[in-house]
Amino acid sequence: AQKITQTQPGMFVQEKEAVTLDCTYDTSDPSYGLFWYKQPSSGEMIFLIYQGSYDQQNATEGRYSLNFQKARKSANLVISASQLGDSAMYFCAEGGTSYGKLTFGQGTILTVHP
Amino acid sequence: DTAVSQTPKYLVTQMGNDKSIKCEQNLGHDTMYWYKQDSKKFLKIMFSYNNKELIINETVPNRFSPKSPDKAHLNLHINSLELGDSAVYFCASSRWQTNTGELFFGEGSRLTVL
Repeated sequence: AQKITQTQPGMFVQEKEAVTLDCTYDTSDPSYGLFWYKQPSSGEMIFLIYQGSYDQQNATEGRYSLNFQKARKSANLVISASQLGDSAMYFCAEGGTSYGKLTFGQGTILTVHP
Repeated sequence: DTAVSQTPKYLVTQMGNDKSIKCEQNLGHDTMYWYKQDSKKFLKIMFSYNNKELIINETVPNRFSPKSPDKAHLNLHINSLELGDSAVYFCASSRWQTNTGELFFGEGSRLTVL
């Protein structure tokens, strides 16, 4: 069974600085995808970035990049130039080829200080 | 135009009542899901439907009955509500294999059982 671990319950960062949110995964699927979602206090789930297990390069989307280390089974999210609006809960998730579902980690609350 | 819409957004009801949450997606996806987010923000899949066929039932009590009249709709009916059913319920949709595509979430339906 898939398992996603986010070891940082909460993180703090100063505005304009970069921050890394950790995620490790454990899956037996030969092909899988790794995702990060943002959940602000308003409650909606916002897709941020996706990394395929066979992608050679790390995914980037604007200020978000995914530091994918396959051998270590880690998929850390890097947010550059943090903004106050980045304060939210962040979830890492993994999806495999079977059944089409995502398994989520416990989440990390990020607080950006001015 | 909202991609995944669910109603109602808020639901407050007494223990023992029956309630339904409706979900519709206009993305043309084949797969729809119900996820439950508990008070600790943990997100867990409940059900998945692919082309109106039940694919995943993650040991959810029989009091929860999903119904998919067509591939654009997935409703959730809950019988004999219990206090522990209080949570935010998210509907989502995706292409079939989530190793290549993300979930698109609705805004969530916050259920409070008194």
